[in-house]
Amino acid sequence: EPEVTQTPSHQVTQMGQEVILRCVPISNHLYFYWYRQILGQKVEFLVSFYNNEISEKSEIFDDQFSVERPDGSNFTLKIRSTKLEDSAMYFCASSVEGRGTEAFFGQGTRLTVV
Amino acid sequence: QQPVQSPQAVILREGEDAVINCSSSKALYSVHWYRQKHGEAPIFLMILLKGGEQKGHDKISASFNEKKQQSSLYLTASQLSYSGTYFCGTVYNQGGKLIFGQGTELSVKP
Repeated sequence: EPEVTQTPSHQVTQMGQEVILRCVPISNHLYFYWYRQILGQKVEFLVSFYNNEISEKSEIFDDQFSVERPDGSNFTLKIRSTKLEDSAMYFCASSVEGRGTEAFFGQGTRLTVV
Repeated sequence: QQPVQSPQAVILREGEDAVINCSSSKALYSVHWYRQKHGEAPIFLMILLKGGEQKGHDKISASFNEKKQQSSLYLTASQLSYSGTYFCGTVYNQGGKLIFGQGTELSVKP
């Protein structure tokens, strides 16, 4: 069964460092998303991406965040200068269409900023 | 814009029923239900589209009341495997983003 894969599963970084979280969405999906979940809290929307550009973003997704689809398969989230409060589980998701179709989630990358 | 879920937490004995509600202050295009086990990714349960409908599989079903902008998830004859955090996600327009509620933690005890 096709699935969304994310790497790494866990990343520890020092405050102020840049991190890149990687995702391989399901191959025939056209819409891609990043969500964040701080431990014990709800899943928060960060950004959606379609047709090689950001279609929507939340207030969390400020200038330190960026997304890219560098090739036909990868979808990346870059955090330029990490802060302690960026520590969270980051989920990538993809869907066939954007209009409320099922979003498939990857297993997440646990980011720990020390 | 975030949907509001109630209750925040439920504790059940195996075999009991539960209802989880999801309300929006804004007109909805669709409602999505997910279950998340601790440390794992959210797993899709079902989508309900505007027009008002009810869906279900096995002992988990959901309804969508378009007039009230509410959806309810029904778990009947709960099993231990139903334990987890249930999130409703709402989409407000065609092509819009999926916004999750704060979650309802369900614990099923033997």
